[in-house]
Amino acid sequence: GAVVSQHPSWVICKSGTSVKIECRSLDFQATTMFWYRQFPKQSLMLMATSNEGSKATYEQGVEKDKFLINHASLTLSTLTVTSAHPEDSSFYICSAPLAPQQFFGPGTRLTVL
Amino acid sequence: QKEVEQNSGPLSVPEGAIASLNCTYSDRGSQSFFWYRQYSGKSPELIMSIYSNGDKEDGRFTAQLNKASQYVSLLIRDSQPSDSATYLCAVGPGGGEKLTFGTGTRLTIIP
Repeated sequence: GAVVSQHPSWVICKSGTSVKIECRSLDFQATTMFWYRQFPKQSLMLMATSNEGSKATYEQGVEKDKFLINHASLTLSTLTVTSAHPEDSSFYICSAPLAPQQFFGPGTRLTVL
Repeated sequence: QKEVEQNSGPLSVPEGAIASLNCTYSDRGSQSFFWYRQYSGKSPELIMSIYSNGDKEDGRFTAQLNKASQYVSLLIRDSQPSDSATYLCAVGPGGGEKLTFGTGTRLTIIP
């Protein structure tokens, strides 16, 4: 099956710093990737759709200036959490579609102190 | 607003029994339906996909879809302790477009 990787798998940072998370489709190309956030004991919440060659589409209530998304190539999307605060601590997961399915990365655990 | 509803559980099932998980969705235009299994601290793992009415079987897993009732279910036969996890129902318009997830059902298999 198709493989999606994420880096880093976990990160701890101080409040006010920025953190970049990479999502790569290893064996297929993806013009679209999806970024989700999951808080403990809750379901996945779609944050934004990353589009190669154009701006990301953000879901309602997600601050686009805080969560910067760049779809640099057909195999790479990055999510940058700017000026991170403790309430941004969460499990961030990306996915890439290979129709008709979506393949998920292993996730990145972000802890903001 | 598109919604996907699941019973949050927890659902406890004896080892060897059948576990039945249910999901309803609000968008009648939905074309693709998925069941994901998620272990604590891990990313979701696809276990079943179904696109047309009826049953689809894969090993111990059977997915059932009824578009008229806007209902999709997952049956796990001969439940094993390793099946203990949260099961997420996801619904989409098809073609690998964005999915809407339910809140998940936490399943515990009791040895």
